[in-house]
Parts: sequence; C-alpha cells; structure tokens
Amino acid sequence: KNEVEQSPQNLTAQEGEFITINCSYSVGISALHWLQQHPGGGIVSLFMLSSGKKKHGRLIATINIQEKHSSLHITASHPRDSAVYICAVRTFGNEKLTFGTGTRLTIIP
Amino acid sequence: ETGVTQTPRHLVMGMTNKKSLKCEQHLGHNAMYWYKQSAKKPLELMFVYNFKEQTENNSVPSRFSPECPNSSHLFLHLHTLQPEDSALYLCASSQAQGGSGNTIYFGEGSWLTVV
Repeated sequence: KNEVEQSPQNLTAQEGEFITINCSYSVGISALHWLQQHPGGGIVSLFMLSSGKKKHGRLIATINIQEKHSSLHITASHPRDSAVYICAVRTFGNEKLTFGTGTRLTIIP
Repeated sequence: ETGVTQTPRHLVMGMTNKKSLKCEQHLGHNAMYWYKQSAKKPLELMFVYNFKEQTENNSVPSRFSPECPNSSHLFLHLHTLQPEDSALYLCASSQAQGGSGNTIYFGEGSWLTVV
C-alpha cells in the first residue's frame, strides 16, 4: 500500500464543473504539495501547504492534518486544466518527498 | 518555464550505448534531484545532490551514474541500460535539500526509450 493514495485515478468532467481531487496519506508530514503534470511531462508546483487552505485563481487546496487528508478543488473547470494532478508529502525526519500515483483529469468542452 | 531546463527532451538508445541527460537550473538553488517516472507508478527518487555533494542514492543500479560539477548543473550518465529503464526522467531543484519550507521546481523531463 502506497503511503500516499489519491482518488479518483481518472476523472472526466464537462467544462464548467467543480472538480475535487483527494489525497490521503499515512505518515506524519511537514508539508504537502500539489503538482500538475501536462502531457509533455513537465511538472509545475501548484501549492505547498502544511495547514488550512490556500487559493490561487480557480484552484483551492485544503489540508486536514488530524485526518491526514488533503483536497484540490478546481472551480469553473476548463479544458486547459486537463492534466495529471499529483499529491506529494514531505515526511518528518528524513524530509523526503513521497508521491501519489496521480489523478488524470480530462475536461471536455 | 520553471527555471529548470533538461536536455534532450527525447532520447532513444540501444542497450550498449552510452548517453547522458543534462539538467541546468537558473534559480540559484543548492539542491538538485533526479527522479524516474514509469508508467502508472509514482515518481521515484534516484539521486540527491546538496551543495554539489551526493546525499542520496536510492539503491539505483550502477548503470546510472550522476554527476554534479556545480550547483547549477546535474548530469545523469547512462550505460548498458535495459528496456525496463525506459521512462521519463525528471530533474528538479530546491533551495536546499529537505526543509518543509522548500518548494521544488521540476524540469520538463527527458523521455528515454531503450531498445
């Protein structure tokens, strides 16, 4: 069992829909990252958070440390949001990043 | 543009070839990383360099040989690879290794196919 689990693995939605991607982890963490990977392969860091909530444009990330759970929300989704979204946690102690397998999001016009 | 540049973007090599992947960062960071991403698997950390010193080798086979001549450049030398080594190889950098406050910046990746 991976230390970082994401759901769903694949998500297809219509343009304009509200999107939620979930991440659960089983270890103590110092920070959680949400990353976006486009088909070309490059990865962009969207958020780094250790508590509460962060917002950037149409993207919102929340984390509940007690429940070891984070969510990434996209409001008014657009086809250009189509990508793989990856959750990664930085564990206490060794400070390594452990990655989830990603959620493939497809937004249909 | 993340400030981390990888070349080549695509590489096809035979099992007896020797090739190298290059990574350059223009962010003034002191830590650089090599990750491997295989289909349907999470990113796997391969190597970490912190202030030009290798601080992490995640049990990577010796057919992969990293080199970090300075804090801005990182190479991955490839020799006698196997077809199962075909994957996306991603370089990343951060201010310093670890640290809960460090954002990590990734390159576009190098798609490697071993034939």
